[in-house]
Amino acid sequence: AQKVTQAQTEISVVEKEDVTLDCVYETRDTTYYLFWYKQPPSGELVFLIRRNSFDEQNEISGRYSWNFQKSTSSFNFTITASQVVDSAVYFCALSEADTGFQKLVFGTGTRLLVSP
Amino acid sequence: DAGVIQSPRHEVTEMGQEVTLRCKPISGHNSLFWYRQTMMRGLELLIYFNNNVPIDDSGMPEDRFSAKMPNASFSTLKIQPSEPRDSAVYFCASTPGLAGEEQFFGPGTRLTVL
Repeated sequence: AQKVTQAQTEISVVEKEDVTLDCVYETRDTTYYLFWYKQPPSGELVFLIRRNSFDEQNEISGRYSWNFQKSTSSFNFTITASQVVDSAVYFCALSEADTGFQKLVFGTGTRLLVSP
Repeated sequence: DAGVIQSPRHEVTEMGQEVTLRCKPISGHNSLFWYRQTMMRGLELLIYFNNNVPIDDSGMPEDRFSAKMPNASFSTLKIQPSEPRDSAVYFCASTPGLAGEEQFFGPGTRLTVL
């Protein structure tokens, strides 16, 4: 079973639109970590956020915000007032207690295209 | 502080040749990871090391792949012999080794096997 599901393969928006990228995860552990990474066209993987399973507080960082809901096993990512520079592939990832939180299991990614 | 360093950035080789990818983790990081990224399979963890010791190599696709970490500042991923299906971007990442820490990724090596 896929542990991290990013059902949206590709999303296209126009600049200044808000966009939400969905992430649904599956784990039997009560302690785990969730992550979002960004992969711009240049190819590197850039860390955006980490959240542990005991912290369900939503987080806001500038135009970025994250909504963690254990009840629905989701960790969604919203970009407010999107910009062309936000165009990238975004990956959600999970690490679990049974691997000592060492192994990252990535979703398949969501490609975001922001047009001017 | 320099990030994770990988070399070469691009490698083009012919089927059957040996390929060696290199990684220098961030100084002080105790865990090192090798990933492969392809369109078909996405990002896959191949192997990871803690304190230079291989912990989990269950992601290594077959015996043609091997990885070593002779010291805390250097790791190699070797493919021998290479095949066209090995064409991918190979990422190295490191982390301090504490539970749940984010992994810092290198720029990747784009491997093309003709």
